Formats: sequence, structure tokens, C-alpha cells
Amino acid sequence: IVMTQSPPSLPVTPGEPASMSCRSSQSLLHSNGNNYLDWYLQKPGKSPQLLIYLGSNRASGVPDRFSGSGSGTDFTLKINRVEAEDVGVYYCMQGLQTPFTFGPGTKVDIK
Amino acid sequence: EVQLVESGGGLVQPGGSLRLSCAASGFILRSYWMHWVRLTPGKGLVWVARITGDGTGTTYADSVKGRFTISRDNAKNTLYLQMNSLRAEDTAVYYCGRDQDGTGPTVDYWGQGTLVTVSS
Repeated sequence: IVMTQSPPSLPVTPGEPASMSCRSSQSLLHSNGNNYLDWYLQKPGKSPQLLIYLGSNRASGVPDRFSGSGSGTDFTLKINRVEAEDVGVYYCMQGLQTPFTFGPGTKVDIK
Repeated sequence: EVQLVESGGGLVQPGGSLRLSCAASGFILRSYWMHWVRLTPGKGLVWVARITGDGTGTTYADSVKGRFTISRDNAKNTLYLQMNSLRAEDTAVYYCGRDQDGTGPTVDYWGQGTLVTVSS
């Protein structure tokens, strides 16, 4: 399954909303009703961290300004008010079938 | 506190071998499936391999199948990645990660990574 993300680069203004897209070449909707799509953030010089799992579930400790939505092949990650600490590369990953695949990432930085 | 600490990275010549280790603490390792994921400058994050909690089931990316072996020693709380026939394109930071619950490959905890450089 091929994952694509847009935009590749996203300059943001603190306090403003931001949104990014992830698309898969095949539907990620399983017969059990789950969309096997996760979002990760890799901050500069750090390990990746889990933000959203199964399309729309926020991971433990993730601020509620982050939200995930979508189903099938089209998914969106939104940050309702960007903070300076949110800079980094955001990756989506499909977990429906092996080999699990990541998108190329959206790099978020401050304008 | 959950901690994953990788080690074993370094510089190796093409065709060489390396074994990475991932020491786990703060949770019962045998209860969790585990993954290796790598980060390369050109390709971003790439999933490498996965292993079940008891070690009996493994899955690999096509690019490493037949060359890499994921294994674990639950008694030693350690995950391994044996890498043989290394190629320049295997150069990356390698992360171990804990699978959240085994129902899908969601990685909820990541190590700090270990750098592998394949070059002559």
C-alpha cells in the first residue's frame, strides 16, 4: 500500500490552525470498522512519537489540539492552534497489511 | 516508566554484519509484540520487521527479507536485529518500538535510535 502526504512542507503561525492530508492507494478500512491509520510526529533530533491511532484516537498524553479524521483512503490531521513545540515531520502509517508503510512526511515549521 | 534503549550501531563495510540490541524496561516484554523501524534521510521512516510476544512469529519488509533476522530474549528483556549482507541503502538510524496492543502495528513507545552506517 502506497502512502502519500500533502503538503510536503507546511509553514505555520503559532496560534493559528493547521491541517495536513494523508492518502492511501487502498482502503484502510477493515471489516471490523477500524481504519488502520496512525499519525506520528518526529521532532528535530528526537525519536518519533505516537499522536493518533486507528485514524482518530488520540494517544495517551497527546494534547487535545491534535485531531485525526477520515476513513477509507483519505485522512486528515488537524492542529487547532499550533504551538512552537509542534514543529517537526508528521508521518502517517498504514497498518492494515504488511509491509506496513509510512508516508513521506509533512514538515511543519514556524513562519 | 517504559524505556527502550538501542545499542550496537556503527560503521560497517558493504557485505558485513551487525547485531542491534534493544533493552526494554518498565514493562513486561513478553506481553508485547515489538518492531524495528529505520529512518533514512532520503526515504523518511521505513518499517523493517515485527515479532510476536513469544517470538514465534516474524514479519519483514521485502527490502530486508532473507538478510535481517528479528529475535528476542524475554528472559533478558532484550530485542535483537541481526543484519547480514549489509548494503549502502541500509544506512539509517534504527529504532525499536513497542507495539501498543498487537491488533495493529501502532508503536506507542520508541527507543532513542542507533545509527548504522554502511560504507567502505
